[in-house]
Amino acid sequence: DTAVSQTPKYLVTQMGNDKSIKCEQNLGHDTMYWYKQDSKKFLKIMFSYNNKELIINETVPNRFSPKSPDKAHLNLHINSLELGDSAVYFCASGLFSGNTIYFGEGSWLTVV
Amino acid sequence: AQTVTQSQPEMSVQEAETVTLSCTYDTSESDYYLFWYKQPPSRQMILVIRQEAYKQQNATENRFSVNFQKAALSFSLKISDSQLGDAAMYFCAYRPATGANSKLTFGKGITLSVRP
Repeated sequence: DTAVSQTPKYLVTQMGNDKSIKCEQNLGHDTMYWYKQDSKKFLKIMFSYNNKELIINETVPNRFSPKSPDKAHLNLHINSLELGDSAVYFCASGLFSGNTIYFGEGSWLTVV
Repeated sequence: AQTVTQSQPEMSVQEAETVTLSCTYDTSESDYYLFWYKQPPSRQMILVIRQEAYKQQNATENRFSVNFQKAALSFSLKISDSQLGDAAMYFCAYRPATGANSKLTFGKGITLSVRP
């Protein structure tokens, strides 16, 4: 029933590990996003995919690799995690030519 | 590049009173959308209200209304009859209507507290 769902909701891991966050939307949208909210609560876009094609990449370190197997899914894989990667990561979706973007509940990543 | 500015980091309002949260933005586009999102401590991003730039009429959703001044690039949110549940962080956001760069750009947010 959830519109934009992401898993896991909480993730605690050690520096240097690799982790993935999965996202799925059932709204029929053609565009999906990853946003990062840092400790100061500033929300910044990382990536956007439209119909499985990357359309926005906001100078994110290449340790972050998004993958979109189909337009309803957008996963985020992070290699060699660093302390500064600790944040809340939001998946979102919308229509490319639409107005509103809908957010998942966020994935809280803590790197220790 | 589009920017969204929320200059007030914090505001406080008495329960049942009215409060206005300010937001300005910078754009060269003529067609775009503006939003206010609410983020409670759970960190869930909840859409409060949306305004289409081509509409002159200000959007209203129950106790929430906006004052959209297109020429002044201003988009403020008014919360009437404030309730304890309104306490949260509020983000103003901008999205161009078309183009490959059709992403949401957020302001830094404002923390609203409601005094009982």
